[in-house]
Order: sequence, then structure tokens, then C-alpha cells
Amino acid sequence: QVQLKETGPGLVQPTQTLSITCTVSGFSLTSYYMQWVRQTPGKGLEWMGFIRSGGSTEYNSEFKSRLSISRDTSKNQVFLKMNSLKTEDTGVYYCARGDIYWGQGVMVTVSS
Amino acid sequence: DIVMTQGALPNPVPSGESASITCQSSKSLLHSNGKTYLNWYLQRPGQSPQLLIYWMSTRASGVSDRFSGSGSGTDFTLKISSVEAEDVGVYYCQQFLEYPRTFGGGTKLELK
Repeated sequence: QVQLKETGPGLVQPTQTLSITCTVSGFSLTSYYMQWVRQTPGKGLEWMGFIRSGGSTEYNSEFKSRLSISRDTSKNQVFLKMNSLKTEDTGVYYCARGDIYWGQGVMVTVSS
Repeated sequence: DIVMTQGALPNPVPSGESASITCQSSKSLLHSNGKTYLNWYLQRPGQSPQLLIYWMSTRASGVSDRFSGSGSGTDFTLKISSVEAEDVGVYYCQQFLEYPRTFGGGTKLELK
């Protein structure tokens, strides 16, 4: 069955880089687009961007200058990297296959 | 960016009653292909968002027929007939006509 799981650092210091991995099973990354959505206390649900089945990406311009989404199809993993973190980036980060299958989310706290 | 604005519910809603959640977009979501690019999600407490409705009125697989979506190009309604305990949570509309995809602020449903 389709499964997605996000893993991340939990706590990140301001100005540092956030790295989250989404490990999937039950399907191929070359057949579906994968998106990242976050939920913060200040802005609620925010679409961050996605990587298409062919590997091209689309980003929310809100994050474009500091966000990168990539993947390793051999490892069934999708990656989110965002630099220059601020306290407002504190929240839960979700990966999703299309709009239907979502991971459980990973909580990220940005604090010194 | 397209702004999505959701209305509030007169909570709590008595069990067995119907509830209608409204959503308005700042731009028409009706594409020239005749489809309306609107999703509805339910986020139950402590869970990830779950897709309920896509293309404004098509129920996702496994979603109860108590949920129905309707609307025009800019004004949308999610109707829940005969509200049950499992319907409690926050409902979100999302447009996927343009990037960035944007969500409404959410509408909380509480049960009486």
C-alpha cells in the first residue's frame, strides 16, 4: 500500500538550513508528482512546491529563493531543503503524493 | 496570488443536522476546459489533511456521499448532510488553478 513518512531534525536554529526527507513505498516516484505543504501557526496551510514525475520542479515564490526540492528515485526518497530559517518557519511539514496520499508530517521548531 | 476566504460555522452543530461551509476565491477557478480547480480537505484533530472533494464536486475515493461540493467560478459550498462525530475537524478549500496553490484559512466544525 501507499506509504509516506517524513523525517527531519525537530529543532533548527535561526539562519540555519532545514533538511527533511520523505521516504515513500508502494509506488514509483517516476509515476507521480510529490508536493510539500507546511502548516504554521501564523499562516495555516501553505503549499511550498512540488517535483513532477519527470523531475522538474515548481515552487511557491514565497519560498523560491531559499527552497529546494529534489529526489532520489533509487532510494524512493524526496527531499526538502530550505535555508535561512526564521522562527516563523516553525510548523508541521508534510509531503504528499498528489492530493490524496499525505504523510503524517514532521514538526519543526526554529529556535535558538 | 489567488486568495481563498472561508466562512465560519455556527458551532456547535447538532448531530444529525446538515452543515454548509462556504469558500470564496479572488479569481474565477473555472478553466476553459470546463473544470473548476477547487479541492476540499478535512483535517481531523491530530491528523494530516484528507482530500474529500476535487474538481469542486467530485468525491474522492472512499469519501461518504454525505459530503457534496457545489458552486460557481468564485463561490463554493461544501455540504455535509447528517453530521456525525467523525466529521469533526477543520475543513479547508484549496485552489489548484494557478501557482502557488493556495488554501483558505479553515472552517472548524464542532459537534453538539
